[in-house]
Amino acid sequence: EDQVTQSPEALRLQEGESSSLNCSYTVSGLRGLFWYRQDPGKGPEFLFTLYSAGEEKEKERLKATLTKKESFLHITAPKPEDSATYLCAPRRGAGSYQLTFGKGTKLSVIP
Amino acid sequence: KAGVTQTPRYLIKTRGQQVTLSCSPISGHRSVSWYQQTPGQGLQFLFEYFSETQRNKGNFPGRFSGRQFSNSRSEMNVSTLELGDSALYLCASSLSSRGSTDTQYFGPGTRLTVL
Repeated sequence: EDQVTQSPEALRLQEGESSSLNCSYTVSGLRGLFWYRQDPGKGPEFLFTLYSAGEEKEKERLKATLTKKESFLHITAPKPEDSATYLCAPRRGAGSYQLTFGKGTKLSVIP
Repeated sequence: KAGVTQTPRYLIKTRGQQVTLSCSPISGHRSVSWYQQTPGQGLQFLFEYFSETQRNKGNFPGRFSGRQFSNSRSEMNVSTLELGDSALYLCASSLSSRGSTDTQYFGPGTRLTVL
């Protein structure tokens, strides 16, 4: 059975204080790992897709990395507008288009 | 390009009733997936449709069903509503090209409250 664990569940940072979010997964035949951001009352917003171990992608203050069992979302010098819940979702192998989501990390950035 | 749209945005129903939710995917997208989001369980996959056929199904009872029309629009239906069905129901669309890791783009969701 596919399993996804995100840690920490919640994270409070001062504005400018960099940190990392973790996503550990057990998915057979990984065909991509997706990161989303979700604001309260809204649908998840796509951030990144990572396909293979060692891959990195960046967008503004966010950088996502992937290993064979984990993915990290690094947030550099965060701003209050980065406050949201960050979700990771690995996708299993060929024949399935289902995403298995972790429960997310709720990030709060304090001015 | 317009995003994924879902209607209605909010619904209040009572136990035992049934409900139908609608999703219009991004133009050109052929796959529609449905997810249930609750505070306790997070986002859970319900089912996925491609070319009017259910291609994948999650671990939900038969009270949850869906369909897709020839224009890729999709509906999901929940019969005999239970209190535990209260949730945010999210629809996501993707291009769905075989052999690719298609990105799923989410709609704003339908907030269902069962009283």
